Amino acid sequence: DARVTQTPRHKVTEMGQEVTMRCQPILGHNTVFWYRQTMMQGLELLAYFRNRAPLDDSGMPKDRFSAEMPDATLATLKIQPSEPRDSAVYFCASRRTLNTEAFFGQGTRLTVV
Amino acid sequence: DQQVKQNSPSLSVQEGRISILNCDYTNSMFDYFLWYKKYPAEGPTFLISISSIKDKNEDGRFTVFLNKSAKHLSLHIVPSQPGDSAVYFCAASYNDMRFGAGTRLTVKP
Repeated sequence: DARVTQTPRHKVTEMGQEVTMRCQPILGHNTVFWYRQTMMQGLELLAYFRNRAPLDDSGMPKDRFSAEMPDATLATLKIQPSEPRDSAVYFCASRRTLNTEAFFGQGTRLTVV
Repeated sequence: DQQVKQNSPSLSVQEGRISILNCDYTNSMFDYFLWYKKYPAEGPTFLISISSIKDKNEDGRFTVFLNKSAKHLSLHIVPSQPGDSAVYFCAASYNDMRFGAGTRLTVKP
């Protein structure tokens, strides 16, 4: 049963600390997305990769967020330093190719205190 | 900028009746549109999609309609069931995939 796996599921951290969220996309999918769920804007696109190459990260605060895909089985989203306003649920999704549905992980609920 | 908009935060319908969820988009480059359903503490799950070359796609109780000239799509659920109660997200894709803010559907028994 192929699925997108995100770790950790929950993270509580203090302001100023580094946070790393990980995502294992479905094998064979060439596109990986990172989204943040907010009440006002729904699912906000932060960054995405195709064939491991970053195509767009304009949705991320550049000074503190970074997204990488070191290999085809791992995508990471880092926040350094974290701030209370970063508290949200972060979702990773992958899709096989253009014009196909994306499959989502269960999300990482981040709380920055 | 919000390229995909769902202007109704919530919708309540009676079991057995039709639910109609609406979505508008601004970018004419979008060529593939999707609806997702989300339950609390879970990731969104894919429901139905439509290519820009079509104006209707049907899958069981779910039908998506696309009006390209109006840059509008809608999801019809007939008949609505209590288990359909969830948040529904509209998405539009060209290279990336953009989502609306979601509509919370409540189906009352």
